[in-house]
Amino acid sequence: AQSVTQLGSHVSVSEGALVLLRCNYSSSVPPYLFWYVQYPNQGLQLLLKYTSAATLVKGINGFEAEFKKSETSFHLTKPSAHMSDAAEYFCAVTPRGYQKVTFGIGTKLQVIP
Amino acid sequence: NAGVTQTPKFQVLKTGQSMTLQCAQDMNHEYMSWYRQDPGMGLRLIHYSVGAGITDQGEVPNGYNVSRSTTEDFPLRLLSAAPSQTSVYFCASSSAEGVAGELFFGEGSRLTVL
Repeated sequence: AQSVTQLGSHVSVSEGALVLLRCNYSSSVPPYLFWYVQYPNQGLQLLLKYTSAATLVKGINGFEAEFKKSETSFHLTKPSAHMSDAAEYFCAVTPRGYQKVTFGIGTKLQVIP
Repeated sequence: NAGVTQTPKFQVLKTGQSMTLQCAQDMNHEYMSWYRQDPGMGLRLIHYSVGAGITDQGEVPNGYNVSRSTTEDFPLRLLSAAPSQTSVYFCASSSAEGVAGELFFGEGSRLTVL
């Protein structure tokens, strides 16, 4: 069985500051990992994905995440927060080759002007 | 491009009523799924389908039925609505050809059960 743990249900950063959203996974087999973003009153959209090609993954809107097997982590970062980054972010995992996706509880990012 | 379309966007039901949430996708995706989103609980999988005629239960299937008669459509039926089913429901699809787990979501259906 696979699961993800997102540390911090709410994170606040100042505009221009580093964004760091934490995700740790648990999986009995090598997983695929994802970050999704949800803007208010919208569905989720894929931000980036890890499928083992490279441990540092770049996504849309300047976000990136690094897969660290030794730490079972897949933290999401962005060097400089923008007001438009305010949203809820979900980490997700699925075993390779399987379509069932397990989501974390989400982290709401607030960007303070 | 329509992508994944959910109807209705909003619905209010009384306890005991039944209804169907509709989901349609125009991307010829084999895999479709229904999630519910509740505060502090993330998204939880209700039911999923890997192709027409094939469905299976997810994490929280009780009180919900699904069927998949075509590739495009995957309706979710609430048999006898309960207040605990007040939630936002999302339909998602993905291609067997692409990366497993890369989901395309609808905009959601907000359901309130009184």
